[in-house]
Amino acid sequence: AQTVTQSQPEMSVQEAETVTLSCTYDTSESDYYLFWYKQPPSRQMILVIRQEAYKQQNATENRFSVNFQKAAKSFSLKISDSQLGDAAMYFCAYEGGRYSGAGSYQLTFGKGTKLSVIP
Amino acid sequence: DTGVSQNPRHKITKRGQNVTFRCDPISEHNRLYWYRQTLGQGPEFLTYFQNEAQLEKSRLLSDRFSAERPKGSFSTLEIQRTEQGDSAMYLCASSLAFQTGELFFGEGSRLTVL
Repeated sequence: AQTVTQSQPEMSVQEAETVTLSCTYDTSESDYYLFWYKQPPSRQMILVIRQEAYKQQNATENRFSVNFQKAAKSFSLKISDSQLGDAAMYFCAYEGGRYSGAGSYQLTFGKGTKLSVIP
Repeated sequence: DTGVSQNPRHKITKRGQNVTFRCDPISEHNRLYWYRQTLGQGPEFLTYFQNEAQLEKSRLLSDRFSAERPKGSFSTLEIQRTEQGDSAMYLCASSLAFQTGELFFGEGSRLTVL
């Protein structure tokens, strides 16, 4: 079974600064997807960024970028120029099984990192 | 609002009672998922539907839980004989088939079992 580990329960960052959230995962699959989801307080979870394992290039979405290290099974999220609206729980998630015939479309989430942004 | 809608948002019930949650997905989405999230944890997969077919169920979904999506549109999640351990946020999400992992989540239904 796949597992996703987020070792930082809480992080804080000064507004306009950069912060990196860590995520490691365990899998025996070679083709899979990784995601970062954001869950603001009392609001719905939204997708921040996704990475396909077969792509070597790190994904980027505006101020959000990832550092994907497939061999190390590491998938960190970097938030640049942090804004007050970035304060939220951030969840790393894994989706696999598409190409192994398992056909599973479920996401496996980590426990999350609570990010605070200091004005 | 064309997002995923969940009702009720909050439900307080006594142990042993039955509760039902409803999820209305984004209209063109043919996949619908239920997740459960407890305090301090990430969401855990419960089940998912493609159209009206329930294609996968987690072992977390005991026989007290049942989910339906009768016409491939809205879905219900029923919990029978609730236990205190069922207290959690129940999240619904929807997506298009073959869309890679971009789930659109509702705001959740919070269940408190006294």
